Amino acid sequence: GAGVSQTPSNKVTEKGKYVELRCDPISGHTALYWYRQSLGQGPEFLIYFQGTGAADDSGLPNDRFFAVRPEGSVSTLKIQRTERGDSAVYLCASSLRGLAGGRTDTQYFGPGTRLTVL
Amino acid sequence: AQSVSQHNHHVILSEAASLELGCNYSYGGTVNLFWYVQYPGQHLQLLLKYFSGDPLVKGIKGFEAEFIKSKFSFNLRKPSVQWSDTAEYFCAVNAAYAGNNRKLIWGLGTSLAVNP
Repeated sequence: GAGVSQTPSNKVTEKGKYVELRCDPISGHTALYWYRQSLGQGPEFLIYFQGTGAADDSGLPNDRFFAVRPEGSVSTLKIQRTERGDSAVYLCASSLRGLAGGRTDTQYFGPGTRLTVL
Repeated sequence: AQSVSQHNHHVILSEAASLELGCNYSYGGTVNLFWYVQYPGQHLQLLLKYFSGDPLVKGIKGFEAEFIKSKFSFNLRKPSVQWSDTAEYFCAVNAAYAGNNRKLIWGLGTSLAVNP
């Protein structure tokens, strides 16, 4: 597609439930990133994929958060036993080369998924 | 650890006023620098970026930014703002050569409101 797409655009769930957030990157982009943005804050890094593998997952806050990218394109961010503090906008970005392309690589963002945990 | 500081959290200007938004970062190595903009109801869009070369970078919609290495700064400027520039502006940095590290570190953002 023309840009990064994310589904759903909004997700409301109850505390303790499991959610999945999907990201479809720009076609041909090898790198994919997940960020989380809370109100009044800048985006906070969660995880970065180079191809199918997680090159850096240092931003995942705890083991309730997990992400996959099994075929090197679409990625799913999975949150188990959701808590009210997980409420935020979850942003996905992709870039053409990521790690393999050296320093000159730009991340392009999707519209985000607004997650609300009641 | 890297960090990014944006000095102005809320800025209100009248149309045709000049704009300068401050951004400072802390990191001892070579960096890539970005300004992103988020218009109301829209997603983050790249405004401009600096990788190397001329420290004065021109972006879309008449914006420019100057990288001053000695001051660890990358301030955003526009000589004459328009009502349509009303948006949230984010400065972001990543380390240029730090192995696997491609994550962007972000400032808190500056909310700009331009009055017609």
